[in-house]
Amino acid sequence: DAGVTQSPTHLIKTRGQQVTLRCSPKSGHDTVSWYQQALGQGPQFIFQYYEEEERQRGNFPDRFSGHQFPNYSSELNVNALLLGDSALYLCASSLGLAGYYEQYFGPGTRLTVT
Amino acid sequence: GQNIDQPTEMTATEGAIVQINCTYQTSGFNGLFWYQQHAGEAPTFLSYNVLDGLEEKGRFSSFLSRSKGYSYLLLKELQMKDSASYLCAVRTGGSYIPTFGRGTSLIVHP
Repeated sequence: DAGVTQSPTHLIKTRGQQVTLRCSPKSGHDTVSWYQQALGQGPQFIFQYYEEEERQRGNFPDRFSGHQFPNYSSELNVNALLLGDSALYLCASSLGLAGYYEQYFGPGTRLTVT
Repeated sequence: GQNIDQPTEMTATEGAIVQINCTYQTSGFNGLFWYQQHAGEAPTFLSYNVLDGLEEKGRFSSFLSRSKGYSYLLLKELQMKDSASYLCAVRTGGSYIPTFGRGTSLIVHP
């Protein structure tokens, strides 16, 4: 049973560049949520995708955008990167919007912006 | 908005018991989660409480008091591998998206 997978594992980008992160949900899950986790902080919710639509969004600027594909996988895009975007980006999958009580997290993508 | 408070860091001895507290202020409470996160890794689900009381799962137990906006995670028979960050997260009925606290870094020493 494949768990949540994310790629790449690590990424180094320069200020102003754009980045795309990818996530495949756990087998059987159809909902993907993205979180940003700065060092020493808890994960902060970016947005959630279900049925290929953004369903909920946290307090993040429009530079952060996403997409969900018919196979439920998802991408997170960040434009015009800032130094403050350096963080661990976590993808979590669940079944349905309410996700019941278990979200399964992927290993994350460590983004460093220089 | 939601306000979730946890101690920043705790230390304990191998074999001992430790209690990690979490207090929250929120409206429309719809469940509280505890996650474990080892350094550089993804959070892993430990427990979910939506009703008052104690939920026991092996060496880990979680308690919730909705009237007090209070929860704790109890870890028994501590092992070195329990050294990790423990995240408290609260979900409200409107969004079903959990809001995470900053996490408590637990250090277990011999």
